[in-house]
Amino acid sequence: GAVVSQHPSRVICKSGTSVKIECRSLDFQATTMFWYRQFPKQSLMLMATSNEGSKATYEQGVEKDKFLINHASLTLSTLTVTSAHPEDSSFYICSARGPTIGEQYFGPGTRLTVT
Amino acid sequence: AQSVTQPDIHITVSEGASLELRCNYSYGATPYLFWYVQSPGQGLQLLLKYFSGDTLVQGIKGFEAEFKRSQSSFNLRKPSVHWSDAAEYFCAVGLNYGQNFVFGPGTRLSVLP
Repeated sequence: GAVVSQHPSRVICKSGTSVKIECRSLDFQATTMFWYRQFPKQSLMLMATSNEGSKATYEQGVEKDKFLINHASLTLSTLTVTSAHPEDSSFYICSARGPTIGEQYFGPGTRLTVT
Repeated sequence: AQSVTQPDIHITVSEGASLELRCNYSYGATPYLFWYVQSPGQGLQLLLKYFSGDTLVQGIKGFEAEFKRSQSSFNLRKPSVHWSDAAEYFCAVGLNYGQNFVFGPGTRLSVLP
């Protein structure tokens, strides 16, 4: 149980275009999901906290107009990278707060490459 | 501010040798503590967690970790390393009863045949 999926697993897009990444909780409802960014050989940095039915809370330094987060249902959160640039290339990981207190369940990640 | 440190950026051990990965945290309240493993290009897999109770916790793949409050540490151990254990290991602290996570910088483990 408590599986989180991400789609796509890899995406290549051209500079200036937008790309959407989906994060789904497959067997539980997640009122809160998190989006992380991971640069090569570095740790996970929290980008934003996504709450179902309300606006996401962004961490300091994260551009909310570039990284649009929507959490329209209890099982789906999406991250849209708008007007992507090569510096947005990274590994994006989502997680969902699970039904058990203290638990977060992580998705497999999405590798974004902007050319 | 809350923080997690993993003093060792890269550790190399021989297959069959014992392993200890260090993790120290700074957090005023009782922390929820986690160890995750990440293979290249993959997501995170939970190895073990500590919320309360017995300070020695057992996890998957033969790993264990010990919570030492006096040292603010949560070190990960394995008595005999396998080649498949080569990966990146992250220690994390769950704040506010696990509401938010803070990750350490990670330790990369290499295993020699």
